[in-house]
Amino acid sequence: DTEVTQTPKHLVMGMTNKKSLKCEQHMGHRAMYWYKQKAKKPPELMFVYSYEKLSINESVPSRFSPECPNSSLLNLHLHALQPEDSALYLCASSQEGVAGGFPYEQYFGPGTRLTVT
Amino acid sequence: EDKVVQSPLSLVVHEGDTVTLNCSYEVTNFRSLLWYKQEKKAPTFLFMLTSSGIEKKSGRLSSILDKKELFSILNITATQTGDSAIYLCAVIKISNFGNEKLTFGTGTRLTIIP
Repeated sequence: DTEVTQTPKHLVMGMTNKKSLKCEQHMGHRAMYWYKQKAKKPPELMFVYSYEKLSINESVPSRFSPECPNSSLLNLHLHALQPEDSALYLCASSQEGVAGGFPYEQYFGPGTRLTVT
Repeated sequence: EDKVVQSPLSLVVHEGDTVTLNCSYEVTNFRSLLWYKQEKKAPTFLFMLTSSGIEKKSGRLSSILDKKELFSILNITATQTGDSAIYLCAVIKISNFGNEKLTFGTGTRLTIIP
């Protein structure tokens, strides 16, 4: 099973709303990632969790708040977003995420299409 | 600053043609290079290349990495309409924090005309 699932598939929210995106994998992967992808652009890394600890934050605004409740789940909490935050949000996971180990490919979920009005 | 550059940005060919997609990179602490295919939603993993000169094949797709010249190519032979997609090249590097980090290229939009 190489599946990463994400919910919801689509989300429309106002600028004052609070919502959460969810990601789940059951491949035993210990590294999980959030990416943001704008139209006609490649995915851009937002956060990396390694062994349930936040290890990389790519200078993402605090209105995006990641959370890793356990090794299979990754959440992205959204609050007071701006219309320019509208994008496809992709979650990914891989077996490892640390130096010294063998590099592993990342598997992506189908994404959540977010529209901020 | 890390760079991953793909060419061409867009390619339109007829079914049955062979295509070559290019990816060049300038990345510190390089670990490996990956190719993904993206249709409507999630990028789908195709290949991971870590060693120079070793071709990876999967059906009509093949890829090779040149770590001296810092590039990779993805070949697709006997193209089919189902090959129409955006092909993304990505490089894994070790970040300043000791973690692996994936940086994507701009992608090549491939369109196969029946």
